Amino acid sequence: KQEVTQIPAALSVPEGENLVLNCSFTDSAIYNLQWFRQDPGKGLTSLLLIQSSQREQTSGRLNASLDKSSGRSTLYIAASQPGDSATYLCAVNLGTYKYIFGTGTRLKVLA
Amino acid sequence: GAVVSQHPSRVICKSGTSVKIECRSLDFQATTMFWYRQFPKQSLMLMATSNEGSKATYEQGVEKDKFLINHASLTLSTLTVTSAHPEDSSFYICSATGTVSTDTQYFGPGTRLTVL
Repeated sequence: KQEVTQIPAALSVPEGENLVLNCSFTDSAIYNLQWFRQDPGKGLTSLLLIQSSQREQTSGRLNASLDKSSGRSTLYIAASQPGDSATYLCAVNLGTYKYIFGTGTRLKVLA
Repeated sequence: GAVVSQHPSRVICKSGTSVKIECRSLDFQATTMFWYRQFPKQSLMLMATSNEGSKATYEQGVEKDKFLINHASLTLSTLTVTSAHPEDSSFYICSATGTVSTDTQYFGPGTRLTVL
């Protein structure tokens, strides 16, 4: 059974810091992995999608890497801003459109 | 593009009543829609998968007679919580995949259900 874990569960950093969020999954047979952002009481915003054959994806200040063999993905946020405060979720796609979501990291960036 | 809407965004109901939540794909045809629930400070848990014109496939532990899902058209799926109880209070999120992309799901904004 695929399990997805995110570390840390919560993170509070001063503005401007670079930070890394971690996601690990137990079964490497994934189709792709996606990082989402969720603001309180809101739906999900897709940040980055990494196909199983890819190693990383970048969008602006965000960079996501994928090491399928070790069951890990990281989301790197450069020069964090208060507007980055949200919960970040990773989700693995098992190839049948079925997503298994991680436990989430609640990020707070202090001004 | 690839916008998914949900209605209502919030609903408060009395215990024992039924509540219907709508999920619509606004600019693409959603061949498959998914329903998730999310408890406070927890992650999303998949409840069921529905394909247009077919019966929904429910995840283990989800009561199909309590959570009725209808996917009657390529742009609309509904989730009806029957005989709602306070423990059904949660955040319900739908997502869709289809003609716009098969690699990812597009998520609705969610519906906050509170059962008194």
